[in-house]
Amino acid sequence: SQTIHQWPATLVQPVGSPLSLECTVEGTSNPNLYWYRQAAGRGLQLLFYSVGIGQISSEVPQNLSASRPQDRQFILSSKKLLLSDSGFYLCAWSWGGDQPQHFGDGTRLSIL
Amino acid sequence: RKEVEQDPGPFNVPEGATVAFNCTYSNSASQSFFWYRQDCRKEPKLLMSVYSSGNEDGRFTAQLNRASQYISLLIRDSKLSDSATYLCVVVRGQNFVFGPGTRLSVLP
Repeated sequence: SQTIHQWPATLVQPVGSPLSLECTVEGTSNPNLYWYRQAAGRGLQLLFYSVGIGQISSEVPQNLSASRPQDRQFILSSKKLLLSDSGFYLCAWSWGGDQPQHFGDGTRLSIL
Repeated sequence: RKEVEQDPGPFNVPEGATVAFNCTYSNSASQSFFWYRQDCRKEPKLLMSVYSSGNEDGRFTAQLNRASQYISLLIRDSKLSDSATYLCVVVRGQNFVFGPGTRLSVLP
């Protein structure tokens, strides 16, 4: 069966510091991968998605970036965090098209 | 108008009650639909897909009305463990659009 791992579970970072969140999927190959952010009490906002290695689509222009160096690895990065980057970051995978997405446990990011 | 809208909630119901969630979507090109549940401070989890003919999974029934661009989720005999936020999801091409969610609290 397929599993998705995200780490860390929680992170507290100062404003202006860099960020790297990692997500890996096991048990499948060539999945679609997604990064979402959920602000407190709000809905899910799609940040990036990827249909293959090195292929990244950005949904929202901001100071975040994503990379997919390997088939089942998806990384979310920032060079300089802003206060507004606080939130719950979720990675998800799917088999593409209209197949359902499956989420990792999420990373709760607090910016001080 | 938002692409996917849901009842604002929250819904507070007693155990054993039947509760219905409504969701409307604005893009008629949407082709797939799902319901997810999200527990407090946890990730969303797939509850069920929504098929054109309607579908049932135990106490849960999902309905789709393409003409009215409307999706519903019915929970019968609600349990304490059903307390969560229910998210409607509409898919258009590769694009998953999540509704804002409706929070449900089932009370003893």
